[in-house]
Amino acid sequence: DGGITQSPKYLFRKEGQNVTLSCEQNLNHDAMYWYRQDPGQGLRLIYYSQIVNDFQKGDIAEGYSVSREKKESFPLTVTSAQKNPTAFYLCASSQTGGIGNQPQHFGDGTRLSIL
Amino acid sequence: GENVEQHPSTLSVQEGDSAVIKCTYSDSASNYFPWYKQELGKRPQLIIDIRSNVGEKKDQRIAVTLNKTAKHFSLHITETQPEDSAVYFCAANQAGTALIFGKGTTLSVSS
Repeated sequence: DGGITQSPKYLFRKEGQNVTLSCEQNLNHDAMYWYRQDPGQGLRLIYYSQIVNDFQKGDIAEGYSVSREKKESFPLTVTSAQKNPTAFYLCASSQTGGIGNQPQHFGDGTRLSIL
Repeated sequence: GENVEQHPSTLSVQEGDSAVIKCTYSDSASNYFPWYKQELGKRPQLIIDIRSNVGEKKDQRIAVTLNKTAKHFSLHITETQPEDSAVYFCAANQAGTALIFGKGTTLSVSS
């Protein structure tokens, strides 16, 4: 969907470094999500946010942090505490109407690798 | 919390055959079940979804069935074509949180 933009497309992290993945949407969606995708593991939920200035941990939040200062933006920081950050990261958004019971629209993803 | 199991992990069919992918879920409060298709290196895209007040939904060659009692739902693709080759994910919503996804099924359609 052209309404969700993730950047950069590829990102490399050095040892001990924090990196931030950008996610912007112009769909006027209230809810936003971050998923991590590893081969054979499906999509695992990292964090989600229903409204501005509020977010909740998902199943694998350790080593990650987020902020939701604007409705359109939901950046994800991969901290140095995340020891295995190599993965494909997907951002998604959905309309309100109950968190989790509306179709989610995904961005094109960011592929993060360790140098 | 919700747990979604998806089978099979890989599925190979001949062009024109049907393909069926099955998922089970654990949370009886789940009421929304979407299916996504992801081509290599691309974003997942919603192909069909079903809500708990409906037992079946069809869209051209794609259909989804839901059995709430048994807590399972299935994706049916008829008259498969090579462009149907992709990874398919099922998902179920965990009440008050977000979608929980299955681990995916890699479908290969050979001509």
